Amino acid sequence: GQQVMQIPQYQHVQEGEDFTTYCNSSTTLSNIQWYKQRPGGHPVFLIQLVKSGEVKKQKRLTFQFGEAKKNSSLHITATQTTDVGTYFCAGGSGTYKYIFGTGTRLKVLA
Amino acid sequence: GAVVSQHPSRVICKSGTSVKIECRSLDFQATTMFWYRQFPKQSLMLMATSNEGSKATYEQGVEKDKFLINHASLTLSTLTVTSAHPEDSSFYICSAPGLAGVVKGPQYFGPGTRLLVL
Repeated sequence: GQQVMQIPQYQHVQEGEDFTTYCNSSTTLSNIQWYKQRPGGHPVFLIQLVKSGEVKKQKRLTFQFGEAKKNSSLHITATQTTDVGTYFCAGGSGTYKYIFGTGTRLKVLA
Repeated sequence: GAVVSQHPSRVICKSGTSVKIECRSLDFQATTMFWYRQFPKQSLMLMATSNEGSKATYEQGVEKDKFLINHASLTLSTLTVTSAHPEDSSFYICSAPGLAGVVKGPQYFGPGTRLLVL
């Protein structure tokens, strides 16, 4: 079945450093979503990408959807302690279902 | 924004009992809701899709007789874990598409229910 992997699994950064998580699907996606889950919390929707090669920015966050629509990335510039949490990508394959990636847990050291 | 509530937030029960978890969309209607299970420090695993007015669609490997889903109205879906056992202990989260009629749009998650079966 479809698998969505994320790397790295964990990332510790000093506050102010950049951070990137990569998402790779075993199949071509129709769209991809990104979520953030704070420790002890629930996933919160960040963004959705639909077009091949699409790039979207939200303040310090930059999201990219690969040309082949099989991979995506989330880049955070100058991390802050509020960025702590687990970032999940979720791949849509044309049906109503989304397969969540394995997640990248980010810790930011002050 | 779209708000989804879940009740209870935490439940402890004895092995063999049944537990019902409610998921409500508070400020929008949801003809479809999703139920996920999340183990500690792991990803979300889709268990089933709840459809208002029809039977739920279960993912492969999920026992429909074990995890009963009822979508009673446009704002309420319930998940009942029947004859719970310790291996059912987990974090159960529901979600609903926040854009009316757009099932493939953003999902809004409830706060989750932490189930511990003794």
